[in-house]
Amino acid sequence: GQNIDQPTEMTATEGAIVQINCTYQTSGFNGLFWYQQHAGEAPTFLSYNVLDGLEEKGRFSSFLSRSKGYSYLLLKELQMKDSASYLCAVIKAAGNKLTFGGGTRVLVKP
Amino acid sequence: GAVVSQHPSWVICKSGTSVKIECRSLDFQATTMFWYRQFPKQSLMLMATSNEGSKATYEQGVEKDKFLINHASLTLSTLTVTSAHPEDSSFYICSAGHIGALEAFFGQGTRLTVV
Repeated sequence: GQNIDQPTEMTATEGAIVQINCTYQTSGFNGLFWYQQHAGEAPTFLSYNVLDGLEEKGRFSSFLSRSKGYSYLLLKELQMKDSASYLCAVIKAAGNKLTFGGGTRVLVKP
Repeated sequence: GAVVSQHPSWVICKSGTSVKIECRSLDFQATTMFWYRQFPKQSLMLMATSNEGSKATYEQGVEKDKFLINHASLTLSTLTVTSAHPEDSSFYICSAGHIGALEAFFGQGTRLTVV
């Protein structure tokens, strides 16, 4: 089976930085995805990590440590539009099957 | 990126009726399609995986006879919620993948309300 844990909710101020952690235990691992999801909409792809280290994409960065079963998504220079749920998802070695964590709702305040 | 179209975006139906949701890959051949359900303030829960031309694989706890999945072509999968009840009201999302790509692409989602 797979356990994917992330905090339920986080609050941050506009312009600040927020780090969303994700820990996982899985019987097979072929990468970890981060998605952003606004209420009532489908998830949109943010990042993919399969090797250890940091991947940076503009204001968003994602880090992976396979030995620790740990990832984080870093959001910098927060904007009001970043208020959304952020989903961590693990893909197993076979197929495109994604297993999602519970999601972290981020609220950005002025 | 690849485009996946899901239809309808929302539907309201009476209890006891059936509802069909379509998921189409518009610019690629989807060898695999996934169906998820999401209740308010919860994450996506995988319901089933469908491969073109074969029977769908359902996750534990998902009723095969209630949620009928058909993947008749490489660009279309359908999910039929049969004899819908209010507790089936949810957000249903499909995603499609193809050989050589790890990422699966999501449809827009369908908001089902059963009254």
